[in-house]
Amino acid sequence: KNEVEQSPQNLTAQEGEFITINCSYSVGISALHWLQQHPGGGIVSLFMLSSGKKKHGRLIATINIQEKHSSLHITASHPRDSAVYICVPFGNEKLTFGTGTRLTIIP
Amino acid sequence: DTGVSQNPRHKITKRGQNVTFRCDPISEHNRLYWYRQTLGQGPEFLTYFQNEAQLEKSRLLSDRFSAERPKGSFSTLEIQRTEQGDSAMYLCASSPGGSGTEAFFGQGTRLTVV
Repeated sequence: KNEVEQSPQNLTAQEGEFITINCSYSVGISALHWLQQHPGGGIVSLFMLSSGKKKHGRLIATINIQEKHSSLHITASHPRDSAVYICVPFGNEKLTFGTGTRLTIIP
Repeated sequence: DTGVSQNPRHKITKRGQNVTFRCDPISEHNRLYWYRQTLGQGPEFLTYFQNEAQLEKSRLLSDRFSAERPKGSFSTLEIQRTEQGDSAMYLCASSPGGSGTEAFFGQGTRLTVV
């Protein structure tokens, strides 16, 4: 069983839809990253959070440490949001990557 | 500081050749991580350093792989006698260390073994 599970694995939606990507983990963590990876491999760090909620533009990330669960939300989705989104729980040592969610936003 | 830098960005090599990649982390970041990502898969942990000490090494890393961080700054990842299965994106990340600190990722080195 993976230490980190993301759902869904693939998501296709129409432009403008509200998107939710979920991440559940079994490891003890001190923080969690949400990453965005576009075709070609470049990785962008979207959020690092250890409690509560963070918002940046159309992106919102939440985390519940007790339930070991985090969500990434995208409001008013746009085709440029099409990418793979990866959650990375961070313990005291190495980063553990989630399986990734491939998001495709159709115009 | 412009972030985590990896060189080269792309490398094509013949099977059996040795290759070396370099990662320059953000200044004063104590932790440096190497990951490998094959097409369609998520990144897989390879190894990480706390300063110059290599603290953990994945079983994915065969004896043909070696990583160093001699002065606790930049790191190199060498693959000897490359095989076609080594073709992947090799990602480097760094973080200040300690709990709850953010990691920053390089753009990766894409290796193609022909």
